[in-house]
Amino acid sequence: NAGVTQTPKFQVLKTGQSMTLQCAQDMNHEYMSWYRQDPGMGLRLIHYSVGAGITDQGEVPNGYNVSRSTTEDFPLRLLSAAPSQTSVYFCASSENPGTDGYTFGSGTRLTVV
Amino acid sequence: QQPVQSPQAVILREGEDAVINCSSSKALYSVHWYRQKHGEAPVFLMILLKGGEQKGHDKISASFNEKKQQSSLYLTASQLSYSGTYFCGTETYSGTYKYIFGTGTRLKVLA
Repeated sequence: NAGVTQTPKFQVLKTGQSMTLQCAQDMNHEYMSWYRQDPGMGLRLIHYSVGAGITDQGEVPNGYNVSRSTTEDFPLRLLSAAPSQTSVYFCASSENPGTDGYTFGSGTRLTVV
Repeated sequence: QQPVQSPQAVILREGEDAVINCSSSKALYSVHWYRQKHGEAPVFLMILLKGGEQKGHDKISASFNEKKQQSSLYLTASQLSYSGTYFCGTETYSGTYKYIFGTGTRLKVLA
């Protein structure tokens, strides 16, 4: 099993550009989430999904879009990149967060210049 | 709001004990604990469910007091490999179940 796969690992964007961070899991997990990690801020929830076709906003959703057309994939779209979106982004999945932990991808380090 | 963890950072010598606290302003349904090594993804350690239970993982254990909306992680006889940042993760409900993380505690174990 590959677990949770994130691509790319590193990305540099110019202000105003858009891009999609990819996340795929092969564990048939229903729950998937995107977090951003900034120094001193811990992990903050951007968007999450409780199954295909169902998404909802987290703590810091502005500037990001998500969709969940399949159980496996949960891409995160940056609409118009801003320097404030420079961060490390983690995708995570869980069979059931109420009883099981989350499995994290290896992360995407994004720099917006 | 994110659960608040204390202390923010702690330095230990090998063999010493440490306690990391996680406190939430919202009702908690479960608490997870994770450890993140520098430059790596967080790794799940354990989950605690309602009922004030305690769990153990090697010499790392935790407790959950849902009435106080708090959880504590106990590291006993710390080893060099315990170094990293520890996060509590909490499931809260506000229309839907959200899973958010605490502010993190940096732990460094010295030889």
